Amino acid sequence: AQSVTQPDIHITVSEGASLELRCNYSYGATPYLFWYVQSPGQGLQLLLKYFSGDTLVQGIKGFEAEFKRSQSSFNLRKPSVHWSDAAEYFCAVGANQAGTALIFGKGTTLSVSS
Amino acid sequence: DGGITQSPKYLFRKEGQNVTLSCEQNLNHDAMYWYRQDPGQGLRLIYYSQIVNDFQKGDIAEGYSVSREKKESFPLTVTSAQKNPTAFYLCASSTGQGNGETQYFGPGTRLLVL
Repeated sequence: AQSVTQPDIHITVSEGASLELRCNYSYGATPYLFWYVQSPGQGLQLLLKYFSGDTLVQGIKGFEAEFKRSQSSFNLRKPSVHWSDAAEYFCAVGANQAGTALIFGKGTTLSVSS
Repeated sequence: DGGITQSPKYLFRKEGQNVTLSCEQNLNHDAMYWYRQDPGQGLRLIYYSQIVNDFQKGDIAEGYSVSREKKESFPLTVTSAQKNPTAFYLCASSTGQGNGETQYFGPGTRLLVL
């Protein structure tokens, strides 16, 4: 079955520290992988996506993610976290088919301490 | 500005009542989606539409209905058959062209039961 697992429900990081959010997927075909961020009561904003090519993907707000096919992972990283990064983060996987829906993980809530 | 609008921001439903959530996009996207978000559950697909006058059930379609009479509009009706409608509802759209297309999300509607 196709699925996305985000093992960490809640993570707290000190401001200025590095961050890594984990994402593992199970998908039969070549996956297309996404990271979205959601502030409380808001919609989702795309941070980055992996479609093809370089397995290290750069996104907005200083985030990056690395696709590792052998580990079925697509972990999100940021070298130095800012207080404004506190939000909920969702990993998602999709198919290379027109207009197909995404499968989302259950999300990781990031808190930033000063 | 191009984007996706959802209205209302908050919606209250009485027992036995049908309510309709609006979703409009001016991105000229062919595909549109409805997701339901519950705390700690991620996003689950209710319905999606790849083209006008066509739509398919998602994982949790029971108690919901949709229509797609216009390219830019994809309203969701929560019927009285949906026994637990309290949730945050997110509408999204994408080009419908495949190739790792990105889904863009609206700001969401929070549905509460009186």
